[in-house]
Amino acid sequence: EIVMTQSPATLSVSPGERATLSCRASQSVSSNLAWYQQKPGQAPRLLIYGASTRATAIPDRFSGSGSGTEFTLTITSLQSEDFAVYYCQQYNNWPRTFGPGTKVDIK
Amino acid sequence: QVQLVESGGGVVQPGRSLRLSCGGSGFTFSSYAMAWVRQAPGQGLEWVAAISYDGSNKYNGDSVKGRFTISRDSSKNTLFLQMNSLRPEDTAVYYCARGLGWFDYWGQGTLVTVSS
Repeated sequence: EIVMTQSPATLSVSPGERATLSCRASQSVSSNLAWYQQKPGQAPRLLIYGASTRATAIPDRFSGSGSGTEFTLTITSLQSEDFAVYYCQQYNNWPRTFGPGTKVDIK
Repeated sequence: QVQLVESGGGVVQPGRSLRLSCGGSGFTFSSYAMAWVRQAPGQGLEWVAAISYDGSNKYNGDSVKGRFTISRDSSKNTLFLQMNSLRPEDTAVYYCARGLGWFDYWGQGTLVTVSS
């Protein structure tokens, strides 16, 4: 099983600032990496797939990069609605596995 | 618009069974692979099972292998998760999601509580 790790566990950011979230895979997943956003009491929402392709209706302040074992989700100019938990997920191998999440909260 | 609606959750005793359903609408259900993902209270996401668009291929996570079975009835646009031999650690919100690799649409989830 591929183990996904995320850092930091919590990121405190001021509105309007940039947030950089990291995700690492225990072995290469090529570009088969997705990012999700989850707010309290809600289902996850797909942000990014293929490591860098934005999903439908996702604002361009969200961008993904990386390949192999190291990935980054960048949120430029954080808006109030962006404070949430973010998960990465690999789909290169079975079983599909998620990272433990990064909580982005208000500084 | 795409909608996924789960049902069937509830409180069940350890060792008992439960069947979850997920109805899909707003898309051609029979053309898409589907999956179940769960989230224990206050915890992260765990992929549970997936099924190909035509039901010919099924995949299970290690923690549910031999106990949970995913299936679908595309004539009724419905996805199922048969859960047997339930354990307290199966307590979670269960989401159905569209896709086999990444999951582009999710339902709102149904809570399963395993407790005596």
